[in-house]
Amino acid sequence: GAGVSQSPSNKVTEKGKDVELRCDPISGHTALYWYRQRLGQGLEFLIYFQGNSAPDKSGLPSDRFSAERTGESVSTLTIQRTQQEDSAVYLCASSLTRQFSGNTIYFGEGSWLTVV
Amino acid sequence: GENVEQHPSTLSVQEGDSAVIKCTYSDSASNYFPWYKQELGKGPQLIIDIRSNVGEKKDQRIAVTLNKTAKHFSLHITETQPEDSAVYFCGGIKAAGNKLTFGGGTRVLVKP
Repeated sequence: GAGVSQSPSNKVTEKGKDVELRCDPISGHTALYWYRQRLGQGLEFLIYFQGNSAPDKSGLPSDRFSAERTGESVSTLTIQRTQQEDSAVYLCASSLTRQFSGNTIYFGEGSWLTVV
Repeated sequence: GENVEQHPSTLSVQEGDSAVIKCTYSDSASNYFPWYKQELGKGPQLIIDIRSNVGEKKDQRIAVTLNKTAKHFSLHITETQPEDSAVYFCGGIKAAGNKLTFGGGTRVLVKP
């Protein structure tokens, strides 16, 4: 597709279960980002990939959160033993290169996660 | 790291009036400042951006100004319309850095 694609668009899970969120970046985009947005709040940086490596994981809130990227394309964000405070929209974004000086970051529509 | 602050958090304007949102940043090395519009239930979409070698940029009813000395930049929307109602986020990033830091967002309501 032409844009950043995320799945699932909505996910309801029970507390304690693991979830996987998927992101398909724009074709050819080497940089990929994950952000979290709690209801009515701002955009919280989680992790950044350049190719398949993650030089900046500083935003991951705990060791229950992990992410990987393969083939310089698809990325998966995994949340283990989900807690209610994990309920949020998880947004994926991609851009052409690691040099942000002017390269636009394009966002997907997000994966809405609700932990009950 | 970079810290971006955004004001106001909410803004209500009458249709046809102008809206101004202001952001400040902390890292003088930041040199790229995008603005995103987020409608309910959707991902953020870029509406305009500015680089640090430019003081002002305009695109139809939207303009952004940058004051590098004071480390602040502003979004100006003229002749507001109901479809301008959304949450707007400013961001800042360094050329050599890779993390785009966002302000807290401004919820804009344009009243018909």
